[in-house]
Amino acid sequence: KQEVTQIPAALSVPEGENLVLNCSFTDSAIYNLQWFRQDPGKGLTSLLLIQSSQREQTSGRLNASLDKSSGRSTLYIAASQPGDSATYLCAVSGNTPLVFGKGTRLSVIA
Amino acid sequence: DTAVSQTPKYLVTQMGNDKSIKCEQNLGHDTMYWYKQDSKKFLKIMFSYNNKELIINETVPNRFSPKSPDKAHLNLHINSLELGDSAVYFCASSQDSGPPREKLFFGSGTQLSVL
Repeated sequence: KQEVTQIPAALSVPEGENLVLNCSFTDSAIYNLQWFRQDPGKGLTSLLLIQSSQREQTSGRLNASLDKSSGRSTLYIAASQPGDSATYLCAVSGNTPLVFGKGTRLSVIA
Repeated sequence: DTAVSQTPKYLVTQMGNDKSIKCEQNLGHDTMYWYKQDSKKFLKIMFSYNNKELIINETVPNRFSPKSPDKAHLNLHINSLELGDSAVYFCASSQDSGPPREKLFFGSGTQLSVL
C-alpha cells in the first residue's frame, strides 16, 4: 500500500529565503508525482508534474526533483514571497489511485 | 471561466438528511473524481468516473452514491448523513482514463457540516 509522507508539517520563513519541502513515498512503482498548492478555503492547484522517467521539472521560482528509486521528491522554492504562503501537497500516481501526503503548511513572513 | 465548478460551497445540515453536491467541468476531460478532505486535512479519493462509468470506488459507504449524467458532470448524493461525514469534498478532473498521468484540476470544494 502506497504511503506518502511530507516533512516538515509546517514551516515558517522570512521573505526572500530559499526553501525546500520534502516528500517521500513507500512504493517506487509510480507513473508520476505531482506537487499541489492549497490556499485556505480553496481547491488544489497543480504546480508541477514529474513523470516517472524525469528527474526534475521547473516552473518559475519552483523546481521539483524526483528520485524514484529512493522514493523521494523535493520542491524547491527560490526567493520566497508572502504570496507563497499556502499548504503544499505532493501526490503520487501508480497502480493505486492518486495518493496524497498530508502537506506542508508554509508561512512566508514579510 | 471556472474549469471545475462545484456547488454548493457550504452545506450545513442535520443528521439523517439526504443531500447532493454537484460538479461540472468544462475542460473536456474524460475522467472525474470525488475526494474527501477530513479535519486533519488528509485528502483521500472516494470515486473515479471515466466517460460516465465508475472506475474506482474506494470502500466508501453505500450511503454515498455518485451519478454521472454525462462526462462533464459528476454529482455526489449522500443519504442519511452522519456526523462523521463532515468534511470538505473536492471534485476533480483529468484527461486520463486510467491512473492519472496528467495534471488534476480541482474544484474549490464543498464544506459539509453535519449537526
